[in-house]
Amino acid sequence: ETGVTQSPTHLIKTRGQQVTLRCSSQSGHNTVSWYQQALGQGPQFIFQYYREEENGRGNFPPRFSGLQFPNYSSELNVNALELDDSALYLCASRPGQGTNTGELFFGEGSRLTVL
Amino acid sequence: AQSVTQLDSQVPVFEEAPVELRCNYSSSVSVYLFWYVQYPNQGLQLLLKYLSGSTLVESINGFEAEFNKSQTSFHLRKPSVHISDTAEYFCAVTRRSNDYKLSFGAGTTVTVRA
Repeated sequence: ETGVTQSPTHLIKTRGQQVTLRCSSQSGHNTVSWYQQALGQGPQFIFQYYREEENGRGNFPPRFSGLQFPNYSSELNVNALELDDSALYLCASRPGQGTNTGELFFGEGSRLTVL
Repeated sequence: AQSVTQLDSQVPVFEEAPVELRCNYSSSVSVYLFWYVQYPNQGLQLLLKYLSGSTLVESINGFEAEFNKSQTSFHLRKPSVHISDTAEYFCAVTRRSNDYKLSFGAGTTVTVRA
């Protein structure tokens, strides 16, 4: 069984640029969510995708956007990067809506540094 | 909305000593509770979870946590730690519905010394 994989693992951008982070969900999982983990803090929920539609969003501005594809992989896009966007971005997947374990399966993250 | 408070940001402990990581949560609805562990330069891994039933839950590597509804707590314990337990530990909560948005605490860094 393949776990959640994310790319790239590390990247450096400058203020004002745009970034795209990618995630392949675990086999059999059709729900993907994204979290931002700033240094020294716990992960913060950005949004969740189910069957290619956003079905939950945290307190992040619209310049954070995403996509989910028919194979359930996902992208996180951040426009107009700010210094405070520097963080570890975690993707997590889980089985479909009817599965009632509450457990998320996390990738190892993409570490974004904004200079 | 749900929230989590982890009462200790850093816990240094000697090898083979016991450790307790404290977690309190706030929620107006029934919740599921989790402890996740993050080793250096890695993502989060589920350590254990409380969904229902027995209030004491255990992991395969010797950790246990007890759900206390009256005190809204879910403290994590291990009677004897190893060097390999050095990591950051996050308590998380989600409401019992299908959205499964996790709310995390700020984390507790456990450093085990020989």
